[in-house]
Amino acid sequence: DTGVSQDPRHKITKRGQNVTFRCDPISEHNRLYWYRQTLGQGPEFLTYFQNEAQLEKSRLLSDRFSAERPKGSFSTLEIQRTEQGDSAMYLCASSLNLNYEQYFGPGTRLTVT
Amino acid sequence: AQKITQTQPGMFVQEKEAVTLDCTYDTSDQSYGLFWYKQPSSGEMIFLIYQGSYDEQNATEGRYSLNFQKARKSANLVISASQLGDSAMYFCATSNEGGTSYGKLTFGQGTILTVHP
Repeated sequence: DTGVSQDPRHKITKRGQNVTFRCDPISEHNRLYWYRQTLGQGPEFLTYFQNEAQLEKSRLLSDRFSAERPKGSFSTLEIQRTEQGDSAMYLCASSLNLNYEQYFGPGTRLTVT
Repeated sequence: AQKITQTQPGMFVQEKEAVTLDCTYDTSDQSYGLFWYKQPSSGEMIFLIYQGSYDEQNATEGRYSLNFQKARKSANLVISASQLGDSAMYFCATSNEGGTSYGKLTFGQGTILTVHP
């Protein structure tokens, strides 16, 4: 078991471009979470999936953000028309349905110039 | 709505001594969980310890223990016998354990712990 992986680890993009991040959870975990963390703050919840169903989205998630988990395995988070305020660390976590611990990936650091 | 307050931006401790990191929470949920995570400079969030709101005994995991005082809504982390590798940011978090928000974590702002040799 290699843990939660995220790709890319770093992304620099120009304002207005679209970006897509990928998260591969621990293989038997059916819950997958996305969080965003800005410098000096704790992570903030964005959205989560149980299997392929997206069960909740934060009000932080504007319509420029979309997330998918098409086969209940890996997930993608897309940001369209990026803005400088989108610069942050995007963290993915997974857990078993009835377990409490969420295991986090290393994160994708996004810089919008 | 849930809220976590960590009032200590930074803490210092001597190696091999114990340290307590403070956390208070506010929630309207009847059933909830309390968590502590460690985030080293590498950035990855590492799960340390969990306490359920209905657990009567304080949780312990090795050198970590959670001092849970439900009436005061506090969930302090105690690290015994500090090690240099404990230097990191520590986050307290809560989740509700019912309904469709099950498992969603709400984090505090964190406490930076520095362990001196």
